[in-house]
Amino acid sequence: AQSVTQPDIHITVSEGASLELRCNYSYGATPYLFWYVQSPGQGLQLLLKYFSGDTLVQGIKGFEAEFKRSQSSFNLRKPSVHWSDAAEYFCAVGEGGGADGLTFGKGTHLIIQP
Amino acid sequence: DSGVTQTPKHLITATGQRVTLRCSPRSGDLSVYWYQQSLDQGLQFLIQYYNGEERAKGNILERFSAQQFPDLHSELNLSSLELGDSALYFCASSVALDHQETQYFGPGTRLLVL
Repeated sequence: AQSVTQPDIHITVSEGASLELRCNYSYGATPYLFWYVQSPGQGLQLLLKYFSGDTLVQGIKGFEAEFKRSQSSFNLRKPSVHWSDAAEYFCAVGEGGGADGLTFGKGTHLIIQP
Repeated sequence: DSGVTQTPKHLITATGQRVTLRCSPRSGDLSVYWYQQSLDQGLQFLIQYYNGEERAKGNILERFSAQQFPDLHSELNLSSLELGDSALYFCASSVALDHQETQYFGPGTRLLVL
């Protein structure tokens, strides 16, 4: 069965600093990978997705993620964070190309220091 | 705004009761997914419907059931409620069953069982 690990429960970053959130997956076939963000009291918003092709994918709000098959990772990055980026970030893997239920990691809570 | 709507936003009920959560997918989307988000279990896939038919089941309890109607809206029925069923319930939708599908999430229904 597929699984997703987000090793960092909390991360604190200063505003303007760079950010990297880690995600490792376990899946036998080609994974379909997603990053979602959840602001307090809100639903899940898709940041970016990887299905195939270029392993560096660009998303909304200045985020990007890199798929590394050899490391089973799909880390999320942003060169300069803003206070509005404070939220919960979830990595997810889809089995049927995203057309089946997604398996989510436990999430990483991002705190932005002024 | 993802285009997925869920009602009600909040629901407070007592143990042993039954509730119905409603979801309207994005216009044109045929697939509906239900997820449960709780503090101890995280985000878990419950069940998926495609064009009125059940397609995939995740960690859905026997006390829970769902259906998708001809107009494509979906309802999640939770019965014999227990304290542990208190959670945020999300609905998501996608266009079809093809590979490379993206699931768009609604704002969720927060259920509190007292």
